[in-house]
Amino acid sequence: KQEVTQIPAALSVPEGENLVLNCSFTDSAIYNLQWFRQDPGKGLTSLLLIQSSQREQTSGRLNASLDKSSGRSTLYIAASQPGDSATYLCAGAGSYQLTFGKGTKLSVIP
Amino acid sequence: DGGITQSPKYLFRKEGQNVTLSCEQNLNHDAMYWYRQDPGQGLRLIYYSQIVNDFQKGDIAEGYSVSREKKESFPLTVTSAQKNPTAFYLCASSIGPGGHETQYFGPGTRLLVL
Repeated sequence: KQEVTQIPAALSVPEGENLVLNCSFTDSAIYNLQWFRQDPGKGLTSLLLIQSSQREQTSGRLNASLDKSSGRSTLYIAASQPGDSATYLCAGAGSYQLTFGKGTKLSVIP
Repeated sequence: DGGITQSPKYLFRKEGQNVTLSCEQNLNHDAMYWYRQDPGQGLRLIYYSQIVNDFQKGDIAEGYSVSREKKESFPLTVTSAQKNPTAFYLCASSIGPGGHETQYFGPGTRLLVL
């Protein structure tokens, strides 16, 4: 059974800093790896989807990488802003469902 | 605007009562999902449906039921058999099977027990 782990559980950084969020998964037979953002009390917003055949995806200040052989994905956020403060979740995709990590709560301090 | 709507935003359940959470999407997506989110835990899959009139149990289906009579609607009933229903419930949809496509989420329903 797929297990997804995110470390750290919480992270606090000063505004403008570049940062990396980590995601690891136990079953490398994933179709894709998805990153989401969740604001307090809200639903999830999709950020990036990396297909299993890809190594990375970029959207604006966000860059996500995938290394299936090591069971790892990272989300890189450049030049962080206070508006980036949220919980970031990664999810490994099987045939019919996503398996989520517990998330990393990011606080960007002005 | 295309998207997923969930109602109500807050729902209160009395002991022994069944309650139904609504989920509607106008994205023309085939697949729909229900997740439960508890504090400090990731999302856990309750039920999913890949097509109208078909649905499958997820990891924590006990005490819940669903129907999929229309493509755009996937209501979730929390039955009295669910002994710990207090949680944040999220509905999602995708254009195709969940493992292949981006999932889009609704704003959630918070269920509280009186």
